[in-house]
Amino acid sequence: KQEVTQIPAALSVPEGENLVLNCSFTDSAIYNLQWFRQDPGKGLTSLLLIQSSQREQTSGRLNASLDKSSGRSTLYIAASQPGDSATYLCAVRGSGNTGKLIFGQGTTLQVKP
Amino acid sequence: EAGVAQSPRYKIIEKRQSVAFWCNPISGHATLYWYQQILGQGPKLLIQFQNNGVVDDSQLPKDRFSAERLKGVDSTLKIQPAKLEDSAVYLCASSLVATSPYEQYFGPGTRLTVT
Repeated sequence: KQEVTQIPAALSVPEGENLVLNCSFTDSAIYNLQWFRQDPGKGLTSLLLIQSSQREQTSGRLNASLDKSSGRSTLYIAASQPGDSATYLCAVRGSGNTGKLIFGQGTTLQVKP
Repeated sequence: EAGVAQSPRYKIIEKRQSVAFWCNPISGHATLYWYQQILGQGPKLLIQFQNNGVVDDSQLPKDRFSAERLKGVDSTLKIQPAKLEDSAVYLCASSLVATSPYEQYFGPGTRLTVT
């Protein structure tokens, strides 16, 4: 049974700092891994999607990496801003590619001005 | 393009009462998902529809939860009777089809509080 874990559960950093969020999964047979952002009272916004054959994806100040063999992914945020404050969730899509996403519990990030 | 719509946004009920949530997916999306997100946890898939047929309902508590997607468009999720542990945000998502690389797009969710 696939399990996804995110560490840390919460993180507080001063504005401008570079930071890394971690995601690990127990079954390496995944189709892809996706990072989402969730603002309070809002739905999920997709940030980056990494296919199982890829090692990383970049979008602006965000860079996500994937090491399938070790069951790990990281989300790197460069030069953090107060607007980056949100909960970040990672989710894996199993190799069956049926659409089901299995989520971690999230990391709540606070960036202080 | 309009996003996934959900209503109501908030609902407070007493235990043993019933409640229903509504979802309107993005136009043309064949696949619809209902997720349950308990405070401090990630979303968990409750049920997945392909058009108006159920693809996966393995984690749906069928003794109290039911869902339907008539005509393959809108969907309703019902809880009857509600328990305290049903307090959560219920997220609806849709995708053009289920398989990658078609991403899921999420609605704003319905926050349910059971007292």
